[in-house]
Amino acid sequence: DAMVIQNPRYQVTQFGKPVTLSCSQTLNHNVMYWYQQKSSQAPKLLFHYYDKDFNNEADTPDNFQSRRPNTSFCFLDIRSPGLGDAAMYLCATTRGRDTDTQYFGPGTRLTVL
Amino acid sequence: GQNIDQPTEMTATEGAIVQINCTYQTSGFNGLFWYQQHAGEAPTFLSYNVLDGLEEKGRFSSFLSRSKGYSYLLLKELQMKDSASYLCAVLDSNYQLIWGAGTKLIIKP
Repeated sequence: DAMVIQNPRYQVTQFGKPVTLSCSQTLNHNVMYWYQQKSSQAPKLLFHYYDKDFNNEADTPDNFQSRRPNTSFCFLDIRSPGLGDAAMYLCATTRGRDTDTQYFGPGTRLTVL
Repeated sequence: GQNIDQPTEMTATEGAIVQINCTYQTSGFNGLFWYQQHAGEAPTFLSYNVLDGLEEKGRFSSFLSRSKGYSYLLLKELQMKDSASYLCAVLDSNYQLIWGAGTKLIIKP
């Protein structure tokens, strides 16, 4: 049974056309994370939510926004995608903020044309 | 700054043993994770070490030395399905996960 679900798995958008990626979880975890991962690189943390408390990484571009309307769902909005935003976007959850293992969704691969 | 180092790529033979090393320099330490990531897929949890020593879990073992800022992942009886990237990640003093770039492991028959 899927615990962290991401839709769509593959997303193609045009340069500058807004796109929204979604993540849902059935684990009832308090913390949700959005990562960007480019080929052969480490995942890069964009944001995380502890409940409704939003935490933005200092170097996350303004072009990226996030929403968490409830415990189960979290969205990543890219307002004006550039070619450099093509990447795998990973959603992860943990029960708490401390040493919990992060559970990842399958990821959404974003292509920007 | 914070830094995680691991080899970019390693090659091993099916049935053999391989050790993937990871060294880290972070602001504080609250544990070290190893994740496996197959191409085009999300990382999956392999192990967590917070105390010095060896943790064994089936064919996979993970070792930690906090004084040396060093860990390794040991894979025994390698199978073709073990071909993947292996990511080392450290939880720092702020409970932020600092990731290495991963080691791509290629298994040959």
